[in-house]
Amino acid sequence: AQSVTQLGSHVSVSEGALVLLRCNYSSSVPPYLFWYVQYPNQGLQLLLKYTTGATLVKGINGFEAEFKKSETSFHLTKPSAHMSDAAEYFCAVSTPGTYKYIFGTGTRLKVLA
Amino acid sequence: DAGVIQSPRHEVTEMGQEVTLRCKPISGHNSLFWYRQTMMRGLELLIYFNNNVPIDDSGMPEDRFSAKMPNASFSTLKIQPSEPRDSAVYFCASSLVRGGGTDTQYFGPGTRLTVL
Repeated sequence: AQSVTQLGSHVSVSEGALVLLRCNYSSSVPPYLFWYVQYPNQGLQLLLKYTTGATLVKGINGFEAEFKKSETSFHLTKPSAHMSDAAEYFCAVSTPGTYKYIFGTGTRLKVLA
Repeated sequence: DAGVIQSPRHEVTEMGQEVTLRCKPISGHNSLFWYRQTMMRGLELLIYFNNNVPIDDSGMPEDRFSAKMPNASFSTLKIQPSEPRDSAVYFCASSLVRGGGTDTQYFGPGTRLTVL
């Protein structure tokens, strides 16, 4: 069975500081991995996804994530936080040939001025 | 493209009443998902339609919940009778599923349901 663990339900960073949101997955087969962002009172929006190929994936708004098979991780990073990055971030996993995403419980990012 | 459209955005009702949530997926997408989001349980998949046919309804909590997709451009999620524990944000998402598992799901803005 697949699962996703997001470490830290709340993360605070100062504006301009590095953003690091952690995601670890469990999957018996090579996974597909996604990061979604949810701004207040909005639906989820895809930030980036890893399917195959290059393990460093770049997404929108300056975010990127690296797939590390040995660590079963897919952490999300951004070099410099902006106030507009304040939102909730969800990691999700799926497997080839399926339609179903398994979502993590989310990490709420707060950016301090 | 207008994206996934959901209505109403907010619904407040009393216990025992029937509630109907509506969703219009993105044109051309062949798959539709209903999710429920709560603080306690996070984001849960309720039901998945492919080409208007329910494929997986294992996440539907109980018989009080039902979902339909009469055509490619419309779906409903109905709760009858509603209970306070049904209070949550309900999201609809659509996708063009090609069977590979990499397909992006596009989410609507959600319906915030409060059952008093």
